[in-house]
Amino acid sequence: AQSVSQHNHHVILSEAASLELGCNYSYGGTVNLFWYVQYPGQHLQLLLKYFSGDPLVKGIKGFEAEFIKSKFSFNLRKPSVQWSDTAEYFCAVNGNTGFQKLVFGTGTRLLVSP
Amino acid sequence: DAGVTQSPTHLIKTRGQQVTLRCSPKSGHDTVSWYQQALGQGPQFIFQYYEEEERQRGNFPDRFSGHQFPNYSSELNVNALLLGDSALYLCASSLLDRGAGETQYFGPGTRLLVL
Repeated sequence: AQSVSQHNHHVILSEAASLELGCNYSYGGTVNLFWYVQYPGQHLQLLLKYFSGDPLVKGIKGFEAEFIKSKFSFNLRKPSVQWSDTAEYFCAVNGNTGFQKLVFGTGTRLLVSP
Repeated sequence: DAGVTQSPTHLIKTRGQQVTLRCSPKSGHDTVSWYQQALGQGPQFIFQYYEEEERQRGNFPDRFSGHQFPNYSSELNVNALLLGDSALYLCASSLLDRGAGETQYFGPGTRLLVL
């Protein structure tokens, strides 16, 4: 069955702390991987994506993620968080051919205290 | 360049009623997908439309139906509403790429409350 597991449901950090959010997936075949972010009161926005090539992908606002195929993981990282990073983060996966639904994890709520 | 738009933003219905939600895709996109996001959960795939046909469907009952129009906009219909249908309904649009998949861009959602 296709699934995404996000291990941390809630994370609380102080500003300038480093962030790593875990994401593991179960999906047959070649995958595309995504991190979406939902800021308070806003809609889901794409943070970064992996389709192929370099397994280390960089996204907006200083975020990056590394695809480790052997571990079925796609962890999100940021070296120094800001108060404005407070949001809910969703990891998602789909297959790399057309008509592929996105399968989401349950999300991680990040609270950054100033 | 307008992003994905959805209407209405909020809706309150009673059990047994029917509801129609609307979505206009991002300019240039030809594929629309619908998701249900219950409180505290990630979005769950309902179905996807391309060329006015349902191409893929998630694990939702037949009470959930949809339509895509020639201008690529889409509707989600839910009949015989249940309390458990209360959720945020998200529309996502994308441009189909048969070779590499596609990136889906989400609208703000319609929050449905069933009483």
